Amino acid sequence: EVQLLESGGGLVQPGGSLRVSCAASGFTFSSYAMSWVRQAPGKGLEWVSAISSSGGGAYYAESVKGRFTISRDNSKNTLYLQMNSLRAEDTAVYYCARGGGSSPLDYWGPGTLVTVSS
Amino acid sequence: EIVLTQSPATLSLSPGERATLSCRASQSVGIYLAWYQQKPGQAPRLLIYDASNRATGIPARFSGSGSGTDFTLTISSLEPEDFAVYYCQQRSNWPITFGQGTRLEIK
Repeated sequence: EVQLLESGGGLVQPGGSLRVSCAASGFTFSSYAMSWVRQAPGKGLEWVSAISSSGGGAYYAESVKGRFTISRDNSKNTLYLQMNSLRAEDTAVYYCARGGGSSPLDYWGPGTLVTVSS
Repeated sequence: EIVLTQSPATLSLSPGERATLSCRASQSVGIYLAWYQQKPGQAPRLLIYDASNRATGIPARFSGSGSGTDFTLTISSLEPEDFAVYYCQQRSNWPITFGQGTRLEIK
């Protein structure tokens, strides 16, 4: 059974940093692109970033480019999102999802809430 | 960036009725259009990928059609558990984009 579980969310001050993680199981992690998608409270879905299966290619939404970095450790079956220079508008539930440009987002984790506030 | 526009914003129907949701792209996405269902407090769930393919475990009452810029999600006969928010999403071009969602509510 495919499982994705995010962790690392919490409260952070504006301008601060946070790293969220996504532990994957039940499939060959190194064979799939992975993505982060976020949802601000009461709003729709916004794609944030994606990374190729090998980690050699990374893609970002314009809203986070230069501030967020996606990475993965295929030996640990874990996806990461390093978030720097956080802003109030980054407050959202962050979901990891299997897939990206080369495949649909077919499995999603339950999400982790990131709140940026002073 | 490809903009996806969903209509209507809200659809009010009764169980047993047919639902038709629309998604229009600002430029061609070929067949690389997916539909997701999201219920309150839950993660989105993939329903349809590549315009017309049902994802694993999705009931046959859900169907997708279209190509290029115009796409439709049809639910043939609404069940109580189908009332939720539905999003379309394209993966034809970076950045990946989502529509703003259609809320399907009980009439």
